[in-house]
Amino acid sequence: EAGVTQSPTHLIKTRGQQATLRCSPISGHTSVYWYQQALGLGLQFLLWYDEGEERNRGNFPPRFSGRQFPNYSSELNVNALELEDSALYLCASSLAWYFYTEAFFGQGTRLTVV
Amino acid sequence: AQTVTQSQPEMSVQEAETVTLSCTYDTSESDYYLFWYKQPPSRQMILVIRQEAYKQQNATENRFSVNFQKAAKSFSLKISDSQLGDAAMYFCAYRSAGGATNKLIFGTGTLLAVQP
Repeated sequence: EAGVTQSPTHLIKTRGQQATLRCSPISGHTSVYWYQQALGLGLQFLLWYDEGEERNRGNFPPRFSGRQFPNYSSELNVNALELEDSALYLCASSLAWYFYTEAFFGQGTRLTVV
Repeated sequence: AQTVTQSQPEMSVQEAETVTLSCTYDTSESDYYLFWYKQPPSRQMILVIRQEAYKQQNATENRFSVNFQKAAKSFSLKISDSQLGDAAMYFCAYRSAGGATNKLIFGTGTLLAVQP
């Protein structure tokens, strides 16, 4: 069974551009989470989607946004990129929250802003 | 707000020996989950072990076990018979049981080196 898959693996963008990161959850999982892992800042919660709705949002500016599609895959968009957005972005999936036992992570997208 | 603290940035252990990684957390909630995740150089976060706060019995998964002290808000991970493949960054994480936020709150991690 396929795990959580993320694309692309690496992404290089120029400051001010937009970046789009994609995530496919494990089959049967309806919840998708996004985390940012920046050097020196640890893992920070970004967004949680479930059944196509944004359920919770971390302390990030509005230029971080996303959506979840009917097949439960998800997109994270980062607008007006800044140098400090350079980080590893990890996607995780789980069963719906009321069945939640654990979240499974993908291998991440390394975003570099130059 | 909940916080998770890992006070050991780096640890080292000899192959086949036992090592314990420390984690403390702060919360006013009574029902929650605690996790240990492993992140090898491949970057993928792998769940090592999970503990439900309402369970008094410490969780065990093969060579990995936890010492969960709810009153002290402590959740340490013991790795027995350490193997070279255990070398990785280890993160302790907290999640509320209520489901309103569903987010994991991570500690800053402990980098474990395994010496042959």
